[in-house]
Amino acid sequence: EVQLVQSGAEMKKPGESLKISCKGSGYSFTSYWIGWVRQMPGKGLEWMGIIYPRDSDTAYSPSLQGQVTISADKSINTAYLQWSSLKASDTAIYYCARHRSPAPGRSDAFDIWGQGTMVTVSS
Amino acid sequence: DIVMAQSPDSLAVSLGERATINCKSSRSVLSSSNNKNYLGWYQQKPGQPPKLLIYWASTRESGVPDRFSGSGSGTDFTLTISSLQAEDVAVYYCQQYYGTPFTFGPGTKVDVK
Repeated sequence: EVQLVQSGAEMKKPGESLKISCKGSGYSFTSYWIGWVRQMPGKGLEWMGIIYPRDSDTAYSPSLQGQVTISADKSINTAYLQWSSLKASDTAIYYCARHRSPAPGRSDAFDIWGQGTMVTVSS
Repeated sequence: DIVMAQSPDSLAVSLGERATINCKSSRSVLSSSNNKNYLGWYQQKPGQPPKLLIYWASTRESGVPDRFSGSGSGTDFTLTISSLQAEDVAVYYCQQYYGTPFTFGPGTKVDVK
């Protein structure tokens, strides 16, 4: 079964760092782009960025570039989203999702989604 | 960035009736190289991740009931639920994947009247 399994919920304080994960299984992890999507409480979906695990090529939303880092470890089929200094406004559910077709193109819809990781940032 | 707009914000439809959701992009998402519209539709139910329904504007994802259909080209797109079922109550999002950032529309909430 093709699936993405995300790490568990996190509660952090402003200024703390955090790295959440997304482990792929059931398919060739290095062949598909993986993206991250933010959903703030009660709000819509926001595309954050994508990574191609084979060579770690990335693309970020300009509104988020510099605020988060997307990375991947192809040896363990895992993608990551990390923050160096969290803010209360980072409180959201974060989804990882896989592109529908294998690369080379970076333009595609997301067909497989993780279950989501709830990140709460509060003092 | 390509800005995606959806209308209406919400709609309530009787069971068995048609539901129509519109999506408009600020720039064309039709590629001249392959004549494909880089537009997808997703369904999100409360407490669940989104689910892909339609890609390339009109191709139904495997396993998606045929009451869901997508149409349109260029900048104007439509998702139609031909006969609304109780399990279709959800928020529906369009997304363009023509150019990064691959932006989503704000969502349309569909309820049963």
